Amino acid sequence: DQQVKQNSPSLSVQEGRISILNCDYTNSMFDYFLWYKKYPAEGPTFLISISSIKDKNEDGRFTVFLNKSAKHLSLHIVPSQPGDSAVYFCAASGDAGNMLTFGGGTRLMVKP
Amino acid sequence: GAGVSQSPSNKVTEKGKDVELRCDPISGHTALYWYRQSLGQGLEFLIYFQGNSAPDKSGLPSDRFSAERTGGSVSTLTIQRTQQEDSAVYLCASTDWPQETQYFGPGTRLLVL
Repeated sequence: DQQVKQNSPSLSVQEGRISILNCDYTNSMFDYFLWYKKYPAEGPTFLISISSIKDKNEDGRFTVFLNKSAKHLSLHIVPSQPGDSAVYFCAASGDAGNMLTFGGGTRLMVKP
Repeated sequence: GAGVSQSPSNKVTEKGKDVELRCDPISGHTALYWYRQSLGQGLEFLIYFQGNSAPDKSGLPSDRFSAERTGGSVSTLTIQRTQQEDSAVYLCASTDWPQETQYFGPGTRLLVL
């Protein structure tokens, strides 16, 4: 049973437009959420995170929104750049050990 | 400073052999995690070390998998009698607990023939 789901396996966006990546979770004990970006043959790179006490966190071109009642979070990238093309994973933690539960990833392709 | 490093970057082994994968966490990070990503799958948690506490092994898929962390720093993940389904990318992450953001190494790509 997947506790964190990314229902879109891929997303294609034109350069300069907004990319919106979505993530849903089922475990109400999760209280911290993260987005990671992964290039082929590399480890995941941390992008941005949000605590459950907030509903929005912004860092440059990246904004994460959290809707606790819907158990949904999204990552907005604006403007999108070709270098943003990668696989994006959302992750959640809430257990005492803070181990992460990951979604299956969304492959973002930003076209020039 | 230096990030998380892992070695080897790639490992090809024959079914039934034992393998050891190494992780050097970010200096000063007290918590260390192992995850793996099998082909076409998401990342799954394997094991977690925090300071001198007993590790959380709840994610290990079988008793062929074990890990240790020496001196609160370097960790070794050992897979005994490897099987083809063990083929995956094994990722190590560390954090300065109780900080929740984990920083990942580049991974070890294991292929069991």
